[in-house]
Amino acid sequence: QVQLQESGPGLVKPSQTLSLTCTVSGGSISSSDYYWTWIRQPPGKGLEWIGYIYYSGSTSYNPSLKSRVTISVDTSKNQFSLKLNSVTAADTAVYYCARGQLGSTHCDYWGQGTLVTVSS
Amino acid sequence: QSVLTQPPSVSGAPGQRVTISCTGSSSNIGAGYDVHWYQQLPGTAPKLLIYVNINRPSGVPDRFSGAKSGTSASLAITGLQAEDEADYYCQSYDSSLSGSWVFGGGTKLTVL
Repeated sequence: QVQLQESGPGLVKPSQTLSLTCTVSGGSISSSDYYWTWIRQPPGKGLEWIGYIYYSGSTSYNPSLKSRVTISVDTSKNQFSLKLNSVTAADTAVYYCARGQLGSTHCDYWGQGTLVTVSS
Repeated sequence: QSVLTQPPSVSGAPGQRVTISCTGSSSNIGAGYDVHWYQQLPGTAPKLLIYVNINRPSGVPDRFSGAKSGTSASLAITGLQAEDEADYYCQSYDSSLSGSWVFGGGTKLTVL
């Protein structure tokens, strides 16, 4: 059974960089069958796709966040990471990592999510 | 304003049938891109409910079904149960603005 677990600071100051890591267990992040995805959900609001990375390192980002987002992968640790720079209060959200299926856009396994608050 | 439009809320009594609509446009659902549905119970991560329009992952009851036509999709839930009370989200791909995975705004299902 594949499991994903987000980790990182729960509080980030405005204008700084939000950094999160997702650790994958029960499966290899180097599989050619999946995208590794970040999705967020502001408190009380809906879901927003941030972007994904393939094991080879190729990425795709939400155009509205593209200028501030970097997703990277570390196959040796079976992890992938999210960096979002120049954060504001609008970036306060629960951040989820998830596994996406190659050839589709759905995510079949999700982490439990981690709340990141942007505040001074 | 979400690219995919869902009703904010729907409700039904136990045992009844409810449907949740997801309306898109010619750059997403209408362009032939697949629609997926997720269920989010309070305080938990979303769970895949329907993928590629009509398919159920293993373990999802056949009370849940998906359909797609034109620029819209729908999720139907029959034999409504108290445990179905949750938020439901549709998802697709949009080819405008350099391409993006897009979600509906979510629908809160209340079991009366």
